[in-house]
Amino acid sequence: DTGVSQNPRHKITKRGQNVTFRCDPISEHNRLYWYRQTLGQGPEFLTYFQNEAQLEKSRLLSDRFSAERPKGSFSTLEIQRTEQGDSAMYLCASSPGSFVDAGELFFGEGSRLTVL
Amino acid sequence: QQQVKQSPQSLIVQKGGISIINCAYENTAFDYFPWYQQFPGKGPALLIAIRPDVSEKKEGRFTISFNKSAKQFSLHIMDSQPGDSATYLCAVKDNYGQNFVFGPGTRLSVLP
Repeated sequence: DTGVSQNPRHKITKRGQNVTFRCDPISEHNRLYWYRQTLGQGPEFLTYFQNEAQLEKSRLLSDRFSAERPKGSFSTLEIQRTEQGDSAMYLCASSPGSFVDAGELFFGEGSRLTVL
Repeated sequence: QQQVKQSPQSLIVQKGGISIINCAYENTAFDYFPWYQQFPGKGPALLIAIRPDVSEKKEGRFTISFNKSAKQFSLHIMDSQPGDSATYLCAVKDNYGQNFVFGPGTRLSVLP
């Protein structure tokens, strides 16, 4: 399967701990997006990359959140000092888009975070 | 500030019926309007999408109708099947920031 891959699929952690999620996009997709989705809601934009450049960050992304895409391939999303309000599904999506047109989004199956 | 609204929040349809879900947006600087289908525990998957230069697009049992002046677009599912039971998400793409903004979703249940 050459779709978007996310790991881990589930993560349970205690409040105050750090967690990291990894996303492997579809090969040769230039764009990579991170979204957060809570139960009964639509995905909320967090950030996106064009190749290795992080082009936009949502104001939802507090200073406890950091995302990287070091070589324009896989990406990581780290949450430091987790809070119970961080419990959500973290979705990664990639697209073949350029700087001019984002193209279609292809989502992974998500990483579900539970903060106790 | 919520830019995309969906209605209804939930919908129950009999097998073979027509499901209609509506989406309304506020900003005119959008140039791409997709619908995604999401099953429980899975990521959203693109179902059908439209650009503002056409008013309707049909793919199999799924049709998007687009009303640019009203800033609304809708998804019609003909001959609804139990396998269509899922959450449907509309989205708009910002043609400046290239970001996608999603609606809150509509949960569809198709009864056998």
